[in-house]
Amino acid sequence: DVKVTQSSRYLVKRTGEKVFLECVQDMDHENMFWYRQDPGLGLRLIYFSYDVKMKEKGDIPEGYSVSREKKERFSLILESASTNQTSMYLCASSLIGGGENTEAFFGQGTRLTVV
Amino acid sequence: AQTVTQSQPEMSVQEAETVTLSCTYDTSESNYYLFWYKQPPSRQMILVIRQEAYKQQNATENRFSVNFQKAAKSFSLKISDSQLGDTAMYFCAFRGDSNYQLIWGAGTKLIIKP
Repeated sequence: DVKVTQSSRYLVKRTGEKVFLECVQDMDHENMFWYRQDPGLGLRLIYFSYDVKMKEKGDIPEGYSVSREKKERFSLILESASTNQTSMYLCASSLIGGGENTEAFFGQGTRLTVV
Repeated sequence: AQTVTQSQPEMSVQEAETVTLSCTYDTSESNYYLFWYKQPPSRQMILVIRQEAYKQQNATENRFSVNFQKAAKSFSLKISDSQLGDTAMYFCAFRGDSNYQLIWGAGTKLIIKP
């Protein structure tokens, strides 16, 4: 059974803290993604990675950074958390090819509250 | 730039009824992939159905089917014999053949009433 696991379902952090959200997949996927989900806005891409140590900015990278030191792990870092980063964060992974392999698999989400 | 539009923020139907969720998209690519994902209250995003643009036949998965109109750039999801467990957010997503990113609609909240 394929799996994407996010380290926390709920997090509460203080303004200014450095926050790490971890994501691990066991499917040997090349692509990994971090999304932010807010009501009425759908999913917005923060960063994605198509290989170890490779990263690409998505639509809303400001205030975030990422790390991919191993193929199975993709970390999202909030350098200095702010209240406007309170949101649901979703990690996903997919194979690099097209065709039948285009499906993205998701973690269970981390609801982050910054106070 | 590609865009995906879901024009129905919320819908509700009675159990066992049929419901259709709308999705339109905009792209200049000739080949691409379209998806419907379901996100129940548990928050786990699950793929419901997918369609490849070059395949003319509409995809079907049990009670879920799509009406793919390539010329109109429309990709609607039909749920037949709706069940209480179908209550969820439904997202339409697009992926071009030339990149890795999924482009998402804003979602439709579907409520199935007993």
